[in-house]
Amino acid sequence: SQQGEEDPQALSIQEGENATMNCSYKTSINNLQWYRQNSGRGLVHLILIRSNEREKHSGRLRVTLDTSKKSSSLLITASRAADTASYFCARGSGYSTLTFGKGTMLLVSP
Amino acid sequence: NAGVMQNPRHLVRRRGQEARLRCSPMKGHSHVYWYRQLPEEGLKFMVYLQKENIIDESGMPKERFSAEFPKEGPSILRIQQVVRGDSAAYFCASSPDWGQTNEKLFFGSGTQLSVL
Repeated sequence: SQQGEEDPQALSIQEGENATMNCSYKTSINNLQWYRQNSGRGLVHLILIRSNEREKHSGRLRVTLDTSKKSSSLLITASRAADTASYFCARGSGYSTLTFGKGTMLLVSP
Repeated sequence: NAGVMQNPRHLVRRRGQEARLRCSPMKGHSHVYWYRQLPEEGLKFMVYLQKENIIDESGMPKERFSAEFPKEGPSILRIQQVVRGDSAAYFCASSPDWGQTNEKLFFGSGTQLSVL
């Protein structure tokens, strides 16, 4: 599969803890993006990291990219119950449209 | 600035009927993408359109499925003679005119198709 693959499939943590999700891919990329999906809703773009970048921050989000290992991680610090959602990585490659992984379901308990 | 608008939100069809899903992209966006999502699955790319042109339909089944994005009006994903396996959430996304194909996408809330 050329899709990004997230790990773990599901993650359950307490409020205030950090959540780390990983994404692996198989082919070269232009960029890698992370999206969030609340149950029954559309995806919302969180952050985009380009192939020549190694780390990016946005609020409580930190994304890293290791092109040599073909992997990325999304860290959510000081998690909140409202962070409960599914998180997807999406790979942008060449002129192809984005391909998505199966996602990580994050549950943050109060 | 309204977001990507999809309708209907829920669509119920009996086997053999036709389903029409509509998508109006964000203002200023002329790139439209359709994705399908099965329960607990990621999004599967179906088709990418620009105004009046299909750019990439590699993810769309050859039979029963078609898509259009006319000069005026919304993009339409049409499924003829629906079968139970077509039951899924169908998401539309759009991107700005100036962007590359694989830059940030803006998603609608989806249409949940249920085939009885």
